[in-house]
Amino acid sequence: EAEVAQSPRYKITEKSQAVAFWCDPISGHATLYWYRQILGQGPELLVQFQDESVVDDSQLPKDRFSAERLKGVDSTLKIQPAELGDSAMYLCASSSYGLAARSSYNEQFFGPGTRLTVL
Amino acid sequence: SQKIEQNSEALNIQEGKTATLTCNYTNYSPAYLQWYRQDPGRGPVFLLLIRENEKEKRKERLKVTFDTTLKQSLFHITASQPADSATYLCALGGDSSYKLIFGSGTRLLVRP
Repeated sequence: EAEVAQSPRYKITEKSQAVAFWCDPISGHATLYWYRQILGQGPELLVQFQDESVVDDSQLPKDRFSAERLKGVDSTLKIQPAELGDSAMYLCASSSYGLAARSSYNEQFFGPGTRLTVL
Repeated sequence: SQKIEQNSEALNIQEGKTATLTCNYTNYSPAYLQWYRQDPGRGPVFLLLIRENEKEKRKERLKVTFDTTLKQSLFHITASQPADSATYLCALGGDSSYKLIFGSGTRLLVRP
């Protein structure tokens, strides 16, 4: 069964350092999402891509976070510089929204996540 | 602003009983509502979707209801098993961006 891949699974870094996370969505999924999940809370959307275009980045702290999906397939999320408050799980999800015959109600498939700890 | 409330206290039940989880929302008119399961250290997994014009949806031991007047969804697991122990998240969607808004989840513990 196709899955969303993420790497690394765990990342420990010191504050002010740069970190990057990678996501490979399910093949054929046009829509890709990056979420941040703080322990005990639900996922919070950071950025949404439709193919290579950003659809929603209203909750992305753009002074330190950046995301790209250059060829409309895999994606990278970067934090520079990392702060203590960035410690969280970073989840990537994909959906076939945009392929009307497949899904119009946005069932999302999540990857295993990257657990970031900033010291 | 939009707000989704799920019981923050863990639900602790005996194996074989029915678990009922609640999702309430305000300041939103979703076209659909989804339920996800999340195990510790893993990403959420989609379980069920219910549309605004549907009252109830079933899948095996799972049942979801959706009351748009009360702005509430109930999620039931019948004949619960210890393997059902996890956190269950509700998510609302329906605007043009197909963005989902997640609740904070309720942790379910099923005792053998």
